[in-house]
Amino acid sequence: NAGVTQTPKFQVLKTGQSMTLQCAQDMNHEYMSWYRQDPGMGLRLIHYSVGAGITDQGEVPNGYNVSRSTTEDFPLRLLSAAPSQTSVYFCASRQGAIGYTFGSGTRLTVV
Amino acid sequence: QQQVKQSPQSLIVQKGGISIINCAYENTAFDYFPWYQQFPGKGPALLIAIRPDVSEKKEGRFTISFNKSAKQFSLHIMDSQPGDSATYFCAASMKGTYKYIFGTGTRLKVLA
Repeated sequence: NAGVTQTPKFQVLKTGQSMTLQCAQDMNHEYMSWYRQDPGMGLRLIHYSVGAGITDQGEVPNGYNVSRSTTEDFPLRLLSAAPSQTSVYFCASRQGAIGYTFGSGTRLTVV
Repeated sequence: QQQVKQSPQSLIVQKGGISIINCAYENTAFDYFPWYQQFPGKGPALLIAIRPDVSEKKEGRFTISFNKSAKQFSLHIMDSQPGDSATYFCAASMKGTYKYIFGTGTRLKVLA
């Protein structure tokens, strides 16, 4: 039982490049979310999904796209990377009243 | 109204002491208040959580105290240990949603 798996763990992008952060969970959880973590700002919600085919925006959605074609996968796409998107990204999943299970994160640097 | 204010930003405690981290919120629609513990290089992990119908919840050395009228809740770590050194986040979730609003985090260091 792997829980929530994120890839890659580290990534360096040049400004304007695009990329996809992968997230997969094997717990059959309905709810999945993407957060970014920045120093002094805690975790901020980017996008979330309440089930396959259903996604919605969080607090800071600009510059990011998501899709949820299966229960297991919830990729996050950066359309045109900017230095302001340098951050640590966490994917999390949840089922019912139990709290979120987080992945180990992707550390992204945009130069 | 969506914010959760967390304090202090950092905390240093002697081994065996009590660590106290506080959070405050404005929105009375929040109905679930978890605390997460995060070690360097790892994702946050659920530590303990409370709903507003109880004033206190204890799990081992960790206790949440909840004051509904003041709209405040706090995490108490009794007999703090060096292994407790981590960043702690409070959060709040609104009734009927699964979106969490996180506090800004408290970096705890427990001295041996």
